[in-house]
Amino acid sequence: GAVVSQHPSRVICKSGTSVKIECRSLDFQATTMFWYRQFPKQSLMLMATSNEGSKATYEQGVEKDKFLINHASLTLSTLTVTSAHPEDSSFYICGIKRDIDGYTFGSGTRLTVV
Amino acid sequence: LAKTTQPISMDSYEGQEVNITCSHNNIATNDYITWYQQFPSQGPRFIIQGYKTKVTNEVASLFIPADRKSSTLSLPRVSLSDTAVYYCLVVPSGQAGTALIFGKGTTLSVSS
Repeated sequence: GAVVSQHPSRVICKSGTSVKIECRSLDFQATTMFWYRQFPKQSLMLMATSNEGSKATYEQGVEKDKFLINHASLTLSTLTVTSAHPEDSSFYICGIKRDIDGYTFGSGTRLTVV
Repeated sequence: LAKTTQPISMDSYEGQEVNITCSHNNIATNDYITWYQQFPSQGPRFIIQGYKTKVTNEVASLFIPADRKSSTLSLPRVSLSDTAVYYCLVVPSGQAGTALIFGKGTTLSVSS
């Protein structure tokens, strides 16, 4: 399947600062990427769909001004958590879909806001 | 998207066969069924997918009855490393821009 690289794997930041998470599709040109958030003992929750060259589509309840998504190329989408607060601490996962073999996900980013 | 229902948790012992059943009563004609596995602090990993009857790969089998309102993931001879959360999802085919919507999944605990 497609290879998706997510960076960093874990990050600790101070409250009020911004953090950028990168998601790279290493062997597939992904016009669409998906961003999820997962809290402990819970399932993955879709945050937004990232579209190359256009605005992301956010799920209801997800603040687009807080979670900035940029999909500037077919191989890179970034999620920036702006003015992070402790409640933003979570596990963030990106994924892509390739028609041939379905969905592939990154290894996730553990964000801790202190 | 068709809603799925699966057990919250299951327990097993090493070497046993584990069957996880998922119900998806509202599955549409063009939908297929896919299963993912997730270990703690990792992204989900594809296990198997199918449309009808039986599909088998090197790690699992997927049984889908004729009415397709349910499916069963079968893991032969589980080991401790199979302890994970297993998600059953119903996905419309041919829609590249459609995200996977995850349910609660089944937490499988394998003991020695």
